[in-house]
Amino acid sequence: NAGVTQTPKFRILKIGQSMTLQCTQDMNHNYMYWYRQDPGMGLKLIYYSVGAGITDKGEVPNGYNVSRSTTEDFPLRLELAAPSQTSVYFCASSPRDRGNEQFFGPGTRLTVL
Amino acid sequence: ILNVEQSPQSLHVQEGDSTNFTCSFPSSNFYALHWYRWETAKSPEALFVMTLNGDEKKKGRISATLNTKEGYSYLYIKGSQPEDSATYLCAFASGTYKYIFGTGTRLKVLA
Repeated sequence: NAGVTQTPKFRILKIGQSMTLQCTQDMNHNYMYWYRQDPGMGLKLIYYSVGAGITDKGEVPNGYNVSRSTTEDFPLRLELAAPSQTSVYFCASSPRDRGNEQFFGPGTRLTVL
Repeated sequence: ILNVEQSPQSLHVQEGDSTNFTCSFPSSNFYALHWYRWETAKSPEALFVMTLNGDEKKKGRISATLNTKEGYSYLYIKGSQPEDSATYLCAFASGTYKYIFGTGTRLKVLA
């Protein structure tokens, strides 16, 4: 199993550009999450999904959108990139609810200039 | 606003020392408390998930306790080794699916 994979590893965007961060898991997990990690801060939950076709906002959803058309994939979309979205983004998945550990991807480092 | 606090923020210990960290979380609407180990340039990896008040978990030299009534969890490392150097994160899972992570305790074990 590859676990949770994320692409790209690094990306530089200009203000106003858009992009999609890809996340795929091959563990057949129902629950998937997107986090951002800023220096000196904990991981902040952006969006999560409890199954295909179901998504919900986390703590910091503004400026992002997600979709979950399959169990495996949970892409994160930035429509109009802003410098405040410069961060490291982690995708994670878990087999069931909050009583199960999360498995994290390797992260995507995004810089918006 | 829910808040999860970890202390200390960082510490240095000598190889062979035992150490412990604290995670404080809201005592209401509790579902689970997670501990993760996060090495530099890698992804967080789960150590423990605890759901019951009084839970104690152990994995090798690392153990954790949970007190949901007062809202804290301790992580203990016995006989620290250089390979234990990492950031240790805790995450509070509430009754509404959301996870709140602390900012972590950065441990450096000196050989």
